[in-house]
Amino acid sequence: QKEVEQNSGPLSVPEGAIASLNCTYSDRGSQSFFWYRQYSGKSPELIMFIYSNGDKEDGRFTAQLNKASQYVSLLIRDSQPSDSATYLCAVNSPIVNYGGATNKLIFGTGTLLAVQP
Amino acid sequence: EPEVTQTPSHQVTQMGQEVILRCVPISNHLYFYWYRQILGQKVEFLVSFYNNEISEKSEIFDDQFSVERPDGSNFTLKIRSTKLEDSAMYFCASKLLPGQGARRPSTDTQYFGPGTRLTVL
Repeated sequence: QKEVEQNSGPLSVPEGAIASLNCTYSDRGSQSFFWYRQYSGKSPELIMFIYSNGDKEDGRFTAQLNKASQYVSLLIRDSQPSDSATYLCAVNSPIVNYGGATNKLIFGTGTLLAVQP
Repeated sequence: EPEVTQTPSHQVTQMGQEVILRCVPISNHLYFYWYRQILGQKVEFLVSFYNNEISEKSEIFDDQFSVERPDGSNFTLKIRSTKLEDSAMYFCASKLLPGQGARRPSTDTQYFGPGTRLTVL
């Protein structure tokens, strides 16, 4: 069973601090990794994707991938109260019959982030 | 910016009734998906659809579920006889075909619709 694990939180950080969100995955065949943000009652909204080992930065967000450790993280710098949401880690799982082209996403349970003003 | 749209936003039905959830994927996308999220739980894959056929379905997607692309724009999920445990948010997602002119991993990225909240009474 392919799994994606996240600490459910809540992770509470003060405004302006760095929030660090972590995720581990079980399927070594996974190729792409995604962070989605989900506000309560809303749909997942893509924040970042990463597929190479190392860091990838986009504005206040940095995604980190370590395939050897099967570990993905998301750093949010200068956290704002509007960043308060559940952050979902998702890993693509290639569908064998279609050579991975139609990959489904396996989601973690999400980490609830609360940024305190 | 193009978006995935879903209707209705909220559907209330009686147990045993049939429901059809509708999605309009982004117009140049060719892969379509349905996911569901029971309240307080993780987002779960239901089914993927490409070239007018199902490419994979999960254990959740039993004989009560079906999908269809009835025309060039809509993608539907039908639940034939709803159960109480079908109550959830249902999300449609779509993505590009590899080689559709976009660089990877844009073609790996799935874009989600706003969801339909299904309540089975």
